[in-house]
Amino acid sequence: EAQVTQNPRYLITVTGKKLTVTCSQNMNHEYMSWYRQDPGLGLRQIYYSMNVEVTDKGDVPEGYKVSRKEKRNFPLILESPSPNQTSLYFCASRRQGTLGGYTFGSGTRLTVV
Amino acid sequence: QQQVKQSPQSLIVQKGGISIINCAYENTAFDYFPWYQQFPGKGPALLIAIRPDVSEKKEGRFTISFNKSAKQFSLHIMDSQPGDSATYFCAASVGSGAGSYQLTFGKGTKLSVIP
Repeated sequence: EAQVTQNPRYLITVTGKKLTVTCSQNMNHEYMSWYRQDPGLGLRQIYYSMNVEVTDKGDVPEGYKVSRKEKRNFPLILESPSPNQTSLYFCASRRQGTLGGYTFGSGTRLTVV
Repeated sequence: QQQVKQSPQSLIVQKGGISIINCAYENTAFDYFPWYQQFPGKGPALLIAIRPDVSEKKEGRFTISFNKSAKQFSLHIMDSQPGDSATYFCAASVGSGAGSYQLTFGKGTKLSVIP
């Protein structure tokens, strides 16, 4: 089944403890992206990647890092999480040349206390 | 700066009625306008999309109307059903080049269809 897989689905952590949210897609998509979803704010792009080793900032990149060492994986790294990063996170991917048709993962609900 | 404004925030419609969600954009470089549907506990899923070279696109009960001069587009759900109850997001992107990587979303509309 074609899909974007995120892990974990739920995570509670403490301020300052580094964490990584993994994202993997099995569709050989070139483009991958991370979004956060907050009530009343919709979906905001954190980082995106056009292909292996090519990444760029989205609208809200502060406090996050990403890497794209392999085409299928696009982990989101929070080096020192803070409570304002409590949110619902989505990874998404799409094929180069397709228009806007991102396939989204099921989400990771992160709580930073 | 919010580049895509969506309204209303929430919408309650009777079963069989028409649901209408509106979006307005500011960036004239946008040339691709998708709508996403999100059910609780799930990620958004592409529902229907339109390019500005057409004024309307219909897929089943879902129709996008597009007004380029007004920089507005809307989603119409005909014969709304309880199974349509979800959050709907409009979005916009530039169809090619560097801007195509970034999808800008509206803030979402929570639709409830009551029997």
